[in-house]
Amino acid sequence: DTAVSQTPKYLVTQMGNDKSIKCEQNLGHDTMYWYKQDSKKFLKIMFSYNNKELIINETVPNRFSPKSPDKAHLNLHINSLELGDSAVYFCASSQDDEVNTEAFFGQGTRLTVV
Amino acid sequence: AQSVAQPEDQVNVAEGNPLTVKCTYSVSGNPYLFWYVQYPNRGLQFLLKYITGDNLVKGSYGFEAEFNKSQTSFHLKKPSALVSDSALYFCAVRERPNYGQNFVFGPGTRLSVLP
Repeated sequence: DTAVSQTPKYLVTQMGNDKSIKCEQNLGHDTMYWYKQDSKKFLKIMFSYNNKELIINETVPNRFSPKSPDKAHLNLHINSLELGDSAVYFCASSQDDEVNTEAFFGQGTRLTVV
Repeated sequence: AQSVAQPEDQVNVAEGNPLTVKCTYSVSGNPYLFWYVQYPNRGLQFLLKYITGDNLVKGSYGFEAEFNKSQTSFHLKKPSALVSDSALYFCAVRERPNYGQNFVFGPGTRLSVLP
């Protein structure tokens, strides 16, 4: 069983479209994240949620809207897609107790806007 | 604010030789430090972490890392490199887990192990 799963793995879409990326974790973790990896491989936090509550909302265009229907799911909806949104988006989760502090990552969603 | 530096974009090492991938960090409190590896077209895989205790931590695939508080470093090491270790390596830091606080990643170091 995949611990953190994202769908779709690849997403090619035209400018101006709206798209969603789904993420689910079966680890029972309380915290979930969205990271963006750009073409230079830099990883930057976009959002984090703890028990469905938004904790971190970095300087991300408001075209990006996360939704957490329950603590096992964190979806990312993107409106009016732009060329610059092309990147790999990673979902992750962590437990955040004193010992189990590491994050587990999904396989990534490669978004290409044309 | 937390930050991580990985001073080398690329590290080349011959198979069988020891490898070191460098990482330095900045954090206001006690650091929680991590190493991750990313293979092409894959997600990040957790290798090892430092929370507290022994400065030398051992992780997956024979990797280990040494925490040095005075130098604010957490270098990744392996005694004998394999060609299959070739990948992109990320160091990350977070402060004492505070629910939802994020991991800050370094820019990554590409490791090439030459046969």
